[in-house]
Formats: sequence, structure tokens, C-alpha cells
Amino acid sequence: AQSVTQLGSHVSVSEGALVLLRCNYSSSVPPYLFWYVQYPNQGLQLLLKYTSAATLVKGINGFEAEFKKSETSFHLTKPSAHMSDAAEYFCAVAGQGAQKLVFGQGTRLTINP
Amino acid sequence: GAGVSQSPRYKVTKRGQDVALRCDPISGHVSLYWYRQALGQGPEFLTYFNYEAQQDKSGLPNDRFSAERPEGSISTLTIQRTEQRDSAMYRCASSPTGPETQYFGPGTRLLVL
Repeated sequence: AQSVTQLGSHVSVSEGALVLLRCNYSSSVPPYLFWYVQYPNQGLQLLLKYTSAATLVKGINGFEAEFKKSETSFHLTKPSAHMSDAAEYFCAVAGQGAQKLVFGQGTRLTINP
Repeated sequence: GAGVSQSPRYKVTKRGQDVALRCDPISGHVSLYWYRQALGQGPEFLTYFNYEAQQDKSGLPNDRFSAERPEGSISTLTIQRTEQRDSAMYRCASSPTGPETQYFGPGTRLLVL
């Protein structure tokens, strides 16, 4: 079975500051890990994914995440926040061989000018 | 090319009525997934199809919920005798291969009065 915990339902940072959104997972088999972003009134958009290749994954819009097996973590970072990054972010896990995604509860990111 | 589309985008219905939600996947995508997202939560898996075959319906909450994909393309999620607790965003995703490449539609927001 798989599960995801996102630490912090709301995160607020200043424009230009580091963005760090935390995600811890649990999986009984080697995982695939994902970060999705949801803008208002839009569908979920894939930011990046880990599928057992490089542990540091780069995604769109300057985001990246590092898979740390020892910490069962897949935290999302961006060096410098932009106003357009304000959205809700979801971490998700799928066990290799499994078909469904299991999502965390989401983190709403607010950017302060 | 066209992404995943869902219709209607919004549906308001009265308790006890049946509703049908439609998902039109990206052309050629083998797999199709349905998720339900309550307010303030991450999406939860309902069911998925490979071609026309329903492979996993373990996430359907009860027997009022059903889904079909008769020709391996468009899918319909049907909720019979709707209840207020069915109010949520219903999301569809399609994939050419498996969970590592799911593309989400904009969702259908269902409100049961």
C-alpha cells in the first residue's frame, strides 16, 4: 500500500525567496513519485516525476525535487519564488506495477510581493 | 493537440437524481482513470480502464457509482440516486502507458442539493 503526507497545508513565501514544499511517502514497493500543480479552475498539471532514474529530478517552471529513500521524502524546491507560482501543489505516489496514483492532501502556496 | 476534456464542467442536481459525467481522453491513450476530489483534499482514486476493460474499481465508494468505457475511448461515470455527500470535483485522466504519465482533464464540479 502507498500513502503520502504533505507537511503544511499552507505555505507563504516572499517573491524571490526559496520555495520548499515537503512530501513524505510510504510504499511497500519501489515508488514512482510525482508533483502536480493546480491553478484555479484548471486541471492538474504535472510538474515533475521520479521513476527510478536520477534521484534529483528537474521539472517545469524552475522546480526540482530530490528522492531520498533513507528519509522516504520527495520535497519540492524552487530557488526563487515568482508571483505566478501561487497555486496548490500535490505530491503523489504510485507503487511500481500499480496503476493508481495516491495523492497527498495538498499544499497551498502563497507568494507575497 | 487536444487534451483531456470533461463535460459538463459544472453540474447542480437534486438529491435522488442520477448524473452522468463524461470524459473524453487524449486520442490513442490506452488507460483512463477517474478520481474524486473533495474540497481541501487531494484526488482519490475511483476506477481505471485499459482500453474498454475496467481493471480496478476498488475506489468506487458504493454500488451507486459505476463507470464504463464501451469502445475504449470516451468514458462515463454514473452516479445513481445522488446524495449530498457525493458533491465534489470529479477528475478524469488518461495515459498512453501507465500511472507515470497521467494527463488530467479540468474536472466536473458536482453539487448535490
